[in-house]
Amino acid sequence: LAKTTQPISMDSYEGQEVNITCSHNNIATNDYITWYQQFPSQGPRFIIQGYKTKVTNEVASLFIPADRKSSTLSLPRVSLSDTAVYYCLVVSNSNSGYALNFGKGTSLLVTP
Amino acid sequence: EAQVTQNPRYLITVTGKKLTVTCSQNMNHEYMSWYRQDPGLGLRQIYYSMNVEVTDKGDVPEGYKVSRKEKRNFPLILESPSPNQTSLYFCASSSRDLNSPLHFGNGTRLTVT
Repeated sequence: LAKTTQPISMDSYEGQEVNITCSHNNIATNDYITWYQQFPSQGPRFIIQGYKTKVTNEVASLFIPADRKSSTLSLPRVSLSDTAVYYCLVVSNSNSGYALNFGKGTSLLVTP
Repeated sequence: EAQVTQNPRYLITVTGKKLTVTCSQNMNHEYMSWYRQDPGLGLRQIYYSMNVEVTDKGDVPEGYKVSRKEKRNFPLILESPSPNQTSLYFCASSSRDLNSPLHFGNGTRLTVT
């Protein structure tokens, strides 16, 4: 099972680019990497997903190196409303079932 | 509107009094799961279900039960709640392809005294 590790917290100023890296050393060949965002008192919501190289959508970019043992969520020009907890998730379809290994999350604080 | 609905949002109970937290989704998803969220521990999976009448334990199943009699509903049952089950609980669903995004409910904050 791919265990994930993320920094506990990060700080940024408005307008800066923020990069959050997740380690998943035991990722398997068929595993995808997904990132979620969570605001207080709400359930997590999907941001972006990738398998390898780079994926970009209207919200973020996801960079995955060739060995896939880590991934980096990139948030361009953050605003105060990007203050949230960000989770990295690797879905592992093991013989024991579908284990969903959420990291402990990275708490991002954006200040003016 | 596609959504996962949990009830209640807040619940205060006493040790040993059986309770059920309901979860319903309207997206015809096969996969449903329950998580608890505690400070410093992130999201930990309690139980999940791949389809009707199919359930499996997650990382922290002790003290919980689930059932999946219908595709849309996945209730979480605490037969004899204890204070260490005080937590924020989330239900989630997705299609059978688990590389599809998970859709989460808005959470149930449970306090057991």
